[in-house]
Amino acid sequence: AQSVAQPEDQVNVAEGNPLTVKCTYSVSGNPYLFWYVQYPNRGLQFLLKYITGDNLVKGSYGFEAEFNKSQTSFHLKKPSALVSDSALYFCAVRFLYHGSGNTGKLIFGQGTTLQVKP
Amino acid sequence: NAGVTQTPKFRILKIGQSMTLQCAQDMNHNYMYWYRQDPGMGLKLIYYSVGAGITDKGEVPNGYNVSRSTTEDFPLRLELAAPSQTSVYFCASKGSYTDTQYFGPGTRLTVL
Repeated sequence: AQSVAQPEDQVNVAEGNPLTVKCTYSVSGNPYLFWYVQYPNRGLQFLLKYITGDNLVKGSYGFEAEFNKSQTSFHLKKPSALVSDSALYFCAVRFLYHGSGNTGKLIFGQGTTLQVKP
Repeated sequence: NAGVTQTPKFRILKIGQSMTLQCAQDMNHNYMYWYRQDPGMGLKLIYYSVGAGITDKGEVPNGYNVSRSTTEDFPLRLELAAPSQTSVYFCASKGSYTDTQYFGPGTRLTVL
């Protein structure tokens, strides 16, 4: 079965320190991977995606993510955290549809709350 | 450019009532999705549509119905509301040549 796991419910980091939010996936074939961020009482916002190519993907707000095929991981990183980065982060993988057409459906992890303290 | 809009923002229903959650997008996207978000559970796909007149079930379709008569609109209908449908509902859309979904601001529904 295709799935995404975010092993940490919450990550706490001090402002200015590097942050990592972990994500592992299980899909057959080549994965399309995504990170979204949700600020309080808001919808999800796209941060970055990996489709193919360079394993290090850069996205919005200084975030980047590293695709590791052997470890089936796609961890989100930022070199220096800001208090304003505090939010709920979701990893997602595109559902691979073994039929005609691409439905674009995503499978989401359960989310990780990032808390950045001053 | 409004993107994806959802109405209402909040709603309280009594058990057994019905309602329609509205979703509209102005990006001419063919693909639209309805998710529900429950604490600690991530987002679960309820229904999706790949174009006007075409809809299909997601992971958790029971108790819901959808229609897609136009490209812009994708309403979600709740019949006979139950407390288990208390959740935050998000609508999303994407274009035909991209994998990125764009989300609306959500509707917070409480069923008492």
